[in-house]
Amino acid sequence: GAVVSQHPSRVICKSGTSVKIECRSLDFQATTMFWYRQFPKQSLMLMATSNEGSKATYEQGVEKDKFLINHASLTLSTLTVTSAHPEDSSFYICSASRPPGQGNSGELFFGEGSRLTVL
Amino acid sequence: GENVEQHPSTLSVQEGDSAVIKCTYSDSASNYFPWYKQELGKRPQLIIDIRSNVGEKKDQRIAVTLNKTAKHFSLHITETQPEDSAVYFCAASINSGGSNYKLTFGKGTLLTVNP
Repeated sequence: GAVVSQHPSRVICKSGTSVKIECRSLDFQATTMFWYRQFPKQSLMLMATSNEGSKATYEQGVEKDKFLINHASLTLSTLTVTSAHPEDSSFYICSASRPPGQGNSGELFFGEGSRLTVL
Repeated sequence: GENVEQHPSTLSVQEGDSAVIKCTYSDSASNYFPWYKQELGKRPQLIIDIRSNVGEKKDQRIAVTLNKTAKHFSLHITETQPEDSAVYFCAASINSGGSNYKLTFGKGTLLTVNP
């Protein structure tokens, strides 16, 4: 089946620094990837839709200047949390589905997730 | 936009009993309804999904039913086992066959199966 890989799985940083999280589709080309945020014991909240070769589409209330998304290739999307603060501590998880013509069944595959802790 | 409500938030059953989780959605255009299982600290895994052109789908001990008129769908797990213990999320989306649809998730149900 399709595999989406995310890195790093855990990161601890100091307040004010920036952190980059990578999301890769390993066996298919993903023109679209999604970034979610999950607080402890809560649901997955969509932050933004990452579009290869164009600007990301952000959900209402998500600061695009704080959460920079770059989808530079068909297999890689990155999320950079800029000037991180303790309230940015969370579980960030990416997802993607196979494009049409490559066995798209509608299933959304998730990365392993990245747990960010900002001190 | 789409709004998905999920109940109950927690569910505790005895091993061997059945578990039912219910969700409602608001957008009548939604046509794809997956269910995900998430163990602590891990990624969500798809366990079953249903599209709006069918009313019921079953896969071994897991089944999902969909009532388009009432805009609700349910997950049924029979003969529960301790390894079924996890958080279950329902979701809804409009899937036109492309890859750029987005899922709206329910708030999750923590299922505990007691041995």
